[in-house]
Formats: sequence, structure tokens, C-alpha cells
Amino acid sequence: EPEVTQTPSHQVTQMGQEVILRCVPISNHLYFYWYRQILGQKVEFLVSFYNNEISEKSEIFDDQFSVERPDGSNFTLKIRSTKLEDSAMYFCASKQGSTGELFFGEGSRLTVL
Amino acid sequence: GESVGLHLPTLSVQEGDNSIINCAYSNSASDYFIWYKQESGKGPQFIIDIRSNMDKRQGQRVTVLLNKTVKHLSLQIAATQPGDSAVYFCAREAYPGFQKLVFGTGTRLLVSP
Repeated sequence: EPEVTQTPSHQVTQMGQEVILRCVPISNHLYFYWYRQILGQKVEFLVSFYNNEISEKSEIFDDQFSVERPDGSNFTLKIRSTKLEDSAMYFCASKQGSTGELFFGEGSRLTVL
Repeated sequence: GESVGLHLPTLSVQEGDNSIINCAYSNSASDYFIWYKQESGKGPQFIIDIRSNMDKRQGQRVTVLLNKTVKHLSLQIAATQPGDSAVYFCAREAYPGFQKLVFGTGTRLLVSP
């Protein structure tokens, strides 16, 4: 069964460092997303991406965050200067069309020290 | 509903019982609702969805009920199994944009043999 894959599964970084989280969405999907989940809390939307541009972003997704689809398969989330409060599980998700099931990856756990 | 909290409501059932997990929402503009299951350390997994033109939808062992009058959504799991133990989130497609999901706080389901 096709799946969304994410790397790394866990990253520990120092405050102020740049982090890149990588995702390979399902191959025929056109809509891509990043969500995050702080430990013990609900899943929160960060950004949606379609047709090589951001279609929507939340208040969390400030100018320290960026997304990129550098080639036909990868979808990355970059945090330029990490803060302690960026510690969370980050989930990549994709779907084929504007409607329909959203598939999530297993997540990348980010720990900022 | 959609409030943030560190303490998840918990439903404890015996194996073989039927489980009912509830969710309230506040935005009546939402057209599409989804239930996700999240096992420890994993990403949300789609269970079942329903559109606002329906009030009931059935899957394998699961039923979703939507009451638009009182803005209430429920997930019924028949003959609950230990493998059903997880956190269950309701989510709605947000308006405007329909490009993001807004998740509820989640309910932890514990199934004992």
C-alpha cells in the first residue's frame, strides 16, 4: 500500500539551529501538507501546498518556516532558527485531489534543547 | 470539541463491547468531517468520513453519526478489540479554503481483554 514517508524519525537540535524535515508524499498525490502535534495536544495545521505554491498557512507558520518541493518527489519543511516551543511531532500529509482522504506519514519528532 | 487540553478524555471498555466516542464542533459552515485513529508514536490514520448531506455512514465495524442540529459527531465501534486501543480524533474541513483540517482534542480508547 502506498504511504507517506518522513525522515528523520527523530531529530535533536540546539535552539537557534536550522532544521529540515523531509517527506516523500504518495506519488500521484497533488496536495501536500504539514501538521504538527505538541506532546499530548491535538494535531494542528501548519501549511498546505499545491501547484508549487503555498495555498494556505496558519498563524504558527511564521517567517521562520518555509516549505519546498525541490524535485518531483520530496516535500520539505525548514525551520530557520528553532525555538524551544518548536519541539513537537511534525506530520507530513498528502492527498490526490482537492477532496478525499488525507494520508499522514509516521511523523518526525523534533526536540529543541 | 475543538478546545485544547493536556488531559485527554478516556473511554475504557471491555473487549467485545461497543464503543461510542463523541465530538462537538462549533463551526456550522463545515461540510466534511473525518475520524482519525492515532496509535502511540504514529501518524493519524483515516477511519471514516461523512459529508454534511448525510447523517450516518457505515464502514467495517465503524459507524459515524452526524447531528447537524446540535453540531455533534460520534464514532461507534462495534465489538471493540484490543487493537482498537488508540487516541481517536474528530476533524472537520475548515472554511474558508477547505484546504486544512481542524482537529479536536482527542479521546483515548482503552480496550481491556
